[in-house]
Amino acid sequence: LAKTTQPISMDSYEGQEVNITCSHNNIATNDYITWYQQFPSQGPRFIIQGYKTKVTNEVASLFIPADRKSSTLSLPRVSLSDTAVYYCLVGDIRTTGFQKLVFGTGTRLLVSP
Amino acid sequence: DGGITQSPKYLFRKEGQNVTLSCEQNLNHDAMYWYRQDPGQGLRLIYYSQIVNDFQKGDIAEGYSVSREKKESFPLTVTSAQKNPTAFYLCASSMGGNYGYTFGSGTRLTVV
Repeated sequence: LAKTTQPISMDSYEGQEVNITCSHNNIATNDYITWYQQFPSQGPRFIIQGYKTKVTNEVASLFIPADRKSSTLSLPRVSLSDTAVYYCLVGDIRTTGFQKLVFGTGTRLLVSP
Repeated sequence: DGGITQSPKYLFRKEGQNVTLSCEQNLNHDAMYWYRQDPGQGLRLIYYSQIVNDFQKGDIAEGYSVSREKKESFPLTVTSAQKNPTAFYLCASSMGGNYGYTFGSGTRLTVV
């Protein structure tokens, strides 16, 4: 499984755009990049997933350069409720029925008024 | 609503006692997982099960046991052999492919 490296913490203010970058130098050809969000005392929640270029949904955007050795989660116009821990995971999700994901320590995002 | 239910949300036990944490899903997912999370840390995999009547040890299985008699249920027993059982325990399930994991809301176990 490819190892990922993320900043331990980030600070922002309401209304700003936040970009969290994840490094995954050893990403394999079949690996996808997935981001989860976790609030205190809750289970992580799936945010977005991608393989290359750009993916956007109602919550966030995911930018993946051509070499795929890093990815950036972009949260537009954050609010206080976006304060959470964000995990970047890399794995081959095509495997039928099972995928063993490894969660690192994540990035702790604090949004202030 | 489909989802994963973990119970109880808070659990207190005396040292030396075994305790079983419940995890039930109605998502028809084949795979289920148990993770442990300590304060300020990421998630560590305890056990996982790809199919009924089969399960595998994760990275920190010592002191824990599981069973998978039904597709919907994957209970975790924290035994007295687990040296530091106080933690936040998360159960998850997945159907594979690009659908990711669905997590329960967790059980916070405190052993005194």
